[in-house]
Amino acid sequence: SQQGEEDPQALSIQEGENATMNCSYKTSINNLQWYRQNSGRGLVHLILIRSNEREKHSGRLRVTLDTSKKSSSLLITASRAADTASYFCAVGGGGADGLTFGKGTHLIIQP
Amino acid sequence: DTAVSQTPKYLVTQMGNDKSIKCEQNLGHDTMYWYKQDSKKFLKIMFSYNNKELIINETVPNRFSPKSPDKAHLNLHINSLELGDSAVYFCASSQTGNSEAFFGQGTRLTVV
Repeated sequence: SQQGEEDPQALSIQEGENATMNCSYKTSINNLQWYRQNSGRGLVHLILIRSNEREKHSGRLRVTLDTSKKSSSLLITASRAADTASYFCAVGGGGADGLTFGKGTHLIIQP
Repeated sequence: DTAVSQTPKYLVTQMGNDKSIKCEQNLGHDTMYWYKQDSKKFLKIMFSYNNKELIINETVPNRFSPKSPDKAHLNLHINSLELGDSAVYFCASSQTGNSEAFFGQGTRLTVV
């Protein structure tokens, strides 16, 4: 299975702090993606990092990828209450069979 | 305009019934998917479909079947519903199997 596994399963921090979530996967990948899911809603794509990239930024988001360790991290800087959500990593293997998602990290930002 | 829309949002039905969930995307994507999210929020892909091939997750019971009348639609039919089918079902689409996926808002299916 190429399934991504996020760590930690849950994270609670104060508003303004940085939040870091990690993802590990098992096999070769074409890219790794991070998604956010607010309660009761669908998933929203945040950022995609290709297998030949090591770091990528988007606003307050920073994603790293270490293919030798088969791991990725998502850093959210200067967290806000609106960042409260579940965050999932997903890996694509190169075929037409879509993405394989991890179990997610539930992030709570305390005001 | 909603990129990926699915209906209904909520579906409560009795065991043994047959039901369908509809999905439409207006993004011009070639590939559509159905995912199941269980009570622990674990997302599992059920089907991947484009105009060339249907890829079925081997763990999906054959009571579940996707139907695609055209490239913009991928409906999910479920026969003989069971209690364990209760979950949130998400439709999604992407340009290719590896690109960014766009998700619908989900259909919460409750089998009683």
